[in-house]
Formats: sequence, C-alpha cells, structure tokens
Amino acid sequence: KAGVTQTPRYLIKTRGQQVTLSCSPISGHRSVSWYQQTPGQGLQFLFEYFSETQRNKGNFPGRFSGRQFSNSRSEMNVSTLELGDSALYLCASSSTSGSFTGELFFGEGSRLTVL
Amino acid sequence: GQSLEQPSEVTAVEGAIVQINCTYQTSGFYGLSWYQQHDGGAPTFLSYNGLDGLEETGRFSSFLSRSDSYGYLLLQELQMKDSASYFCAVRDEWGNTPLVFGKGTRLSVIA
Repeated sequence: KAGVTQTPRYLIKTRGQQVTLSCSPISGHRSVSWYQQTPGQGLQFLFEYFSETQRNKGNFPGRFSGRQFSNSRSEMNVSTLELGDSALYLCASSSTSGSFTGELFFGEGSRLTVL
Repeated sequence: GQSLEQPSEVTAVEGAIVQINCTYQTSGFYGLSWYQQHDGGAPTFLSYNGLDGLEETGRFSSFLSRSDSYGYLLLQELQMKDSASYFCAVRDEWGNTPLVFGKGTRLSVIA
C-alpha cells in the first residue's frame, strides 16, 4: 500500500511570504503529525491531528497552523516566513492517535528554503 | 514536558557492535521508541520498549530501564548501510500526547 505522500518535496520562498504544505497519510490512517527538522535540533513536534481535530500542538508561534480534512489529508501553513523557518517538514501518519507502539510512518518531507 | 539526551555522534568499525544510549525526563511515560534516518530519507521505525528489558529484532536490540529513565539501542554486526542518524523518542501518555524525539545520534560505520 502507498506510503505517506508529501508535496511539494522542495520549495524556495522569500521572507514574508507564506507557504502551504500537503500530506496524504497511508490509507486508513486517521492520525497525522507534523514535525520540523533542522540540523542539530532533531525532530520538533508541530501538531497532531486525529479525525479533523487538533489533538496536540507544539511550541511554535501562531504563524504555524494546520488542518486535517475528512479524508485524513492534512495541510500545514506557515505565514510571514522567516529565515529560521528553513527546514525539512515531515509528516507522519499512524493508524490511531498515539498508536500502541508509538510507530509513526513518515513521508520523505518537504524541504523549505527561505531566502 | 519531556527531554531526551543522546550522544550526537558515534563512530564504529564494520562488523563491530555499537550501543547508542538515551536518557529521558518525562512527566509520564508510555514507552521508548527508536527510529533510523538515512541522509535524505524519511525516519523509519526500528523498535519500541513499553516494559523493562531487551527487545531483539535481527541485528538490532533495544533495552529499557524505566527506573533509571534510560534505554539504549544495540546494533550488532555493523554494516556500512547502518550509517545513519538514530533517534530515541518517548510519549508521556498513550493517545493524548505527541511522540517527542531526541536530537539524534549520527552513526558512522567505517571499514
């Protein structure tokens, strides 16, 4: 079965612009989580959605937002981009919110560069 | 909140054994997970420890001591393809809290 699909894979924006990233989870998975990955900082949690409801939110400014649709696809948006937002944004899905083993299935990520 | 500590880099020789440690501080605890990420790739799940002890999956084993808030990932018979970053991750509470990751350990396997 198809894995987690993220689009676009690469994008370049300039400061002040906004960006929308998309994530299609594995079929049947209702939980979607987003993480920001930067060198040396590991994966920092952004949000988690389950059945269109935001279950958890990480410690990021309000410029970062997300949503989940009825088909479990999710989008995240970053407004008023800053240089420090340059990162790999990873989406992960699981079959239930907080799957028993903690297993998340990650997409390849969207690499955002802010100039 | 949670915090996890793991070494930033480890180098080991092909064919050898390497252990990557992880210590954590959490308000609750619902298991320790390990993920592998090759350069340019997606993180992939390796193992989960919900109870104390050793879990073995082929060349990889993972250990947990809840009383010590400590775990490790053990890689045996190292291969060049094991060169990757390894992340430990914890969850405070099942179903209600996100999976929080450590900053990762970059393993370099040398000939």
